[in-house]
Amino acid sequence: KNQVEQSPQSLIILEGKNCTLQCNYTVSPFSNLRWYKQDTGRGPVSLTIMTFSENTKSNGRYTATLDADTKQSSLHITASQLSDSASYICVVTTFNQAGTALIFGKGTTLSVSS
Amino acid sequence: GAGVSQSPRYKVAKRGQDVALRCDPISGHVSLFWYQQALGQGPEFLTYFQNEAQLDKSGLPSDRFFAERPEGSVSTLKIQRTQQEDSAVYLCASSEDNYGYTFGSGTRLTVV
Repeated sequence: KNQVEQSPQSLIILEGKNCTLQCNYTVSPFSNLRWYKQDTGRGPVSLTIMTFSENTKSNGRYTATLDADTKQSSLHITASQLSDSASYICVVTTFNQAGTALIFGKGTTLSVSS
Repeated sequence: GAGVSQSPRYKVAKRGQDVALRCDPISGHVSLFWYQQALGQGPEFLTYFQNEAQLDKSGLPSDRFFAERPEGSVSTLKIQRTQQEDSAVYLCASSEDNYGYTFGSGTRLTVV
């Protein structure tokens, strides 16, 4: 069964500190891996998209890594800000008979405090 | 509009009531998806449209759930005889190319 597992479930850090969120997946076939940020009461917003051949991708203070061999990804947030408080969702895109399908993790809830 | 618009933002329904949730995708986006997101969980796929054709409805949890997109733009997700387990945020997403996806802010449905 296609699954995306994220850890930790929740995380609290002080403003200015760095943190790393983990994602393990068992999805086949694999098309790409995405990280989304979901603020409370809002829809998910894309941070990064990585294909099989990409090991790392950055978007400002967000850096995602992908190890397609071990089927693991991480999202590193540098110099956290209060506005980084949100749920971060790892999503793997696969193919099915209807076309493409997004397999979502449950997300990591990040709280940045001052 | 510039984004995906969903209405209403909040809906409280009495158990057994029928509800209709609306999604206005980005103009010109061919693909439209509905997801159900329970509290503290990631979104779960419900159904997928390409233009007006519903290509995948495998995620609809029961025959009480029905979705349509008659003219290939606006979509409506209808839930009949709502039950408490239907309480969730219902997200709509649209895509031009099935690569980039834009999500709406969702409709939070509470069944009491």
